[in-house]
Amino acid sequence: EDQVTQSPEALRLQEGESSSLNCSYTVSGLRGLFWYRQDPGKGPEFLFTLYSAGEEKEKERLKATLTKKESFLHITAPKPEDSATYLCAVEGPGTYKYIFGTGTRLKVLA
Amino acid sequence: DVKVTQSSRYLVKRTGEKVFLECVQDMDHENMFWYRQDPGLGLRLIYFSYDVKMKEKGDIPEGYSVSREKKERFSLILESASTNQTSMYLCASSGQYEQYFGPGTRLTVT
Repeated sequence: EDQVTQSPEALRLQEGESSSLNCSYTVSGLRGLFWYRQDPGKGPEFLFTLYSAGEEKEKERLKATLTKKESFLHITAPKPEDSATYLCAVEGPGTYKYIFGTGTRLKVLA
Repeated sequence: DVKVTQSSRYLVKRTGEKVFLECVQDMDHENMFWYRQDPGLGLRLIYFSYDVKMKEKGDIPEGYSVSREKKERFSLILESASTNQTSMYLCASSGQYEQYFGPGTRLTVT
């Protein structure tokens, strides 16, 4: 069964304390892996798409990487405004359907 | 920038009422989606549409129907609202890969 698992469920960091969020997946034939940021009461905001193992993408303090079984979202020197829930999703072959993880709630303390 | 808009941010309805949630996208995307998001359950796909007048059931279609008469507009209909349909409803659209989400509608059924 296709599945996405994110860890940890919640993470508290001090401002400037770098860390990584994990997204493990099982899907037969990955078409794409997607990272989103979601603020409370709002819709998810698209961050990155990764297509193949070894690929990396960066945006400001965020860097996403992909292996054959998992993806990491690295946050370097986070700021309080990086506090949000980060969602991971995968898309398998022959379908437009995403499988979402339940997210990591990140809190960055000043 | 991709823009996906939803007709209401907050909605309160009574049990048994017929409820319409509307979504409009401005990127000429072929695919549109309706999700609901509940704490601890993540995003769950209700219905999606890959073309005008075309629709497919997602993972939790019971109690819902959809309509797509124009490419840019995708409506979610709750035929007879029930309290277990209280949730955050998110619309998304996509072209080739990544999905872009609207701001969400927080629906409360009393």
